[in-house]
Amino acid sequence: GQQLNQSPQSMFIQEGEDVSMNCTSSSIFNTWLWYKQDPGEGPVLLIALYKAGELTSNGRLTAQFGITRKDSFLNISASIPSDVGIYFCAGRVDSNYQLIWGAGTKLIIKP
Amino acid sequence: DTAVSQTPKYLVTQMGNDKSIKCEQNLGHDTMYWYKQDSKKFLKIMFSYNNKELIINETVPNRFSPKSPDKAHLNLHINSLELGDSAVYFCASKRGREQYFGPGTRLTVT
Repeated sequence: GQQLNQSPQSMFIQEGEDVSMNCTSSSIFNTWLWYKQDPGEGPVLLIALYKAGELTSNGRLTAQFGITRKDSFLNISASIPSDVGIYFCAGRVDSNYQLIWGAGTKLIIKP
Repeated sequence: DTAVSQTPKYLVTQMGNDKSIKCEQNLGHDTMYWYKQDSKKFLKIMFSYNNKELIINETVPNRFSPKSPDKAHLNLHINSLELGDSAVYFCASKRGREQYFGPGTRLTVT
């Protein structure tokens, strides 16, 4: 099935660094979502975006809905150890359509 | 807070067996889902179900079937288990516009 292009696949960072990841699609979406999955747990919704150009923050996390409607970005500022996990993007055309998922970005903080 | 629960958390079984995974949400959500997450962490939608409609991903084998005894439950039945069915299975529930996930069931077929 269709899958979003999410990059990078994994990131090794130092505590305190800023993190950026993105998701692109070949088709237009009207909703972009970012989830985080901790080991042994289900994905948890972090940020939902519903309007092109929208910039939304959730604490140290900021996500943007790309103006072309074909991409989205997630930034994490001043990373801390509990930020480790897998971050997934997901998009859809509208509420009547299924979510299309990215393959995830695994965030690892170097000791 | 969401309240999507799944049982069991872990399930180890042999090939050829039939098993079920239970999912419950207690917030009156209208739509529930089952996802499969493979070893590469890719999330694949299997089913979505509300009171009126069951939508099946056409790539899901018919050995998999969702059963909803009531609005708060969507259980996943799997017949004739195969090695390739080993994965983590997530139930999700929709509140408002977005989905909220359960903790997952790790199925291992030996």
